Amino acid sequence: DAGITQSPRHKVTETGTPVTLRCHQTENHRYMYWYRQDPGHGLRLIHYSYGVKDTDKGEVSDGYSVSRSKTEDFLLTLESATSSQTSVYFCAIGIGNETQYFGPGTRLLVL
Amino acid sequence: QQPVQSPQAVILREGEDAVINCSSSKALYSVHWYRQKHGEAPVFLMILLKGGEQKGHEKISASFNEKKQQSSLYLTASQLSYSGTYFCGTGPGRRALTFGSGTRLQVQP
Repeated sequence: DAGITQSPRHKVTETGTPVTLRCHQTENHRYMYWYRQDPGHGLRLIHYSYGVKDTDKGEVSDGYSVSRSKTEDFLLTLESATSSQTSVYFCAIGIGNETQYFGPGTRLLVL
Repeated sequence: QQPVQSPQAVILREGEDAVINCSSSKALYSVHWYRQKHGEAPVFLMILLKGGEQKGHEKISASFNEKKQQSSLYLTASQLSYSGTYFCGTGPGRRALTFGSGTRLQVQP
């Protein structure tokens, strides 16, 4: 357990509504990541952060924004949820120089 | 570009060995291996940083051939607990990983 929690763990929402997912860590790690996981695609990077207010896009960033105002929290926002954003979302933290540890995940269903 | 894993799925009996391959069309700096059980988060197994490096974790080991841009994960004398989906993650840099689509491993009694 690398001290990562995600909230909510499950969410059902409707198309067009905004959704914010939270990733919280207790160990002051600098690097944090958001991935989505879909059948047949593995894990795909949405955004990552290398410090407070320092973020960058991953390979599937369209439709998502992130914010990191505190070291311990990395927020992922879907401005206007679409059915294609139904997925399992994993947050990860970077430990040391290389290793990434994943949170428990959030299952999001967009109707 | 997503690394390619093979095979996509494999079924073993307890005690048998398996090899999972991961190859990339891009130059690699590092290869990371994870195992994920159904409904759970991926769990880190090991990372390989240099060409030709080999690492071990219990009866699971891996090699990394930087020249060929590929890595292999070796599972020896498989146990029921080895069942799950194995992912390799690769990156030209140290931080941003690109994952393969996974290899589903099922170990039967």
